[in-house]
Amino acid sequence: DVKVTQSSRYLVKRTGEKVFLECVQDMDHENMFWYRQDPGLGLRLIYFSYDVKMKEKGDIPEGYSVSREKKERFSLILESASTNQTSMYLCASNGPGQVYGYTFGSGTRLTVV
Amino acid sequence: GQQVMQIPQYQHVQEGEDFTTYCNSSTTLSNIQWYKQRPGGHPVFLIQLVKSGEVKKQKRLTFQFGEAKKNSSLHITATQTTDVGTYFCAGSNYGQNFVFGPGTRLSVLP
Repeated sequence: DVKVTQSSRYLVKRTGEKVFLECVQDMDHENMFWYRQDPGLGLRLIYFSYDVKMKEKGDIPEGYSVSREKKERFSLILESASTNQTSMYLCASNGPGQVYGYTFGSGTRLTVV
Repeated sequence: GQQVMQIPQYQHVQEGEDFTTYCNSSTTLSNIQWYKQRPGGHPVFLIQLVKSGEVKKQKRLTFQFGEAKKNSSLHITATQTTDVGTYFCAGSNYGQNFVFGPGTRLSVLP
């Protein structure tokens, strides 16, 4: 089975800290995505990548950046964490083109205090 | 941009009753996917539909893609407590990223 692993299940960080959320997939997928999930708002796309070194802004990229130095790893960076970034963060991957289902990681619940 | 809506937002049913959630897109879709997220879990891919009017079944779940490829439905026959969760649809327009609907949260009362 495809596995998408997120490094932390729960994180608590202070306002202003730089936060790194790591995601690794083991199925050689080209596409990787970062979403945040908030009650009543569904899944909102932050950033995505179709290849190594490639990154594209999603619908809500403000306050975030990403890094994809290796095909299997896609990192989400909160440059200066704020309380409105408290959320569930979900990483996902799928094969080339938009014809395959997404495999999601278990999520990281980030609390910024 | 493309928007995907789902109704209802919440549904409470008695165990054994049927359940249907509807998904509507503002634009024509090339393919649509359905996901299930259990409470405390992450979305899990259920199925993909690509053809106009397509109907697919998975045990008690029936998925349908509209003739105009702008809407879809998920129907569960005789719900069980294991069906509890949030059901998301996600639509793609010919190679673009999938856009997720807000989901329908299903509660099943035993």
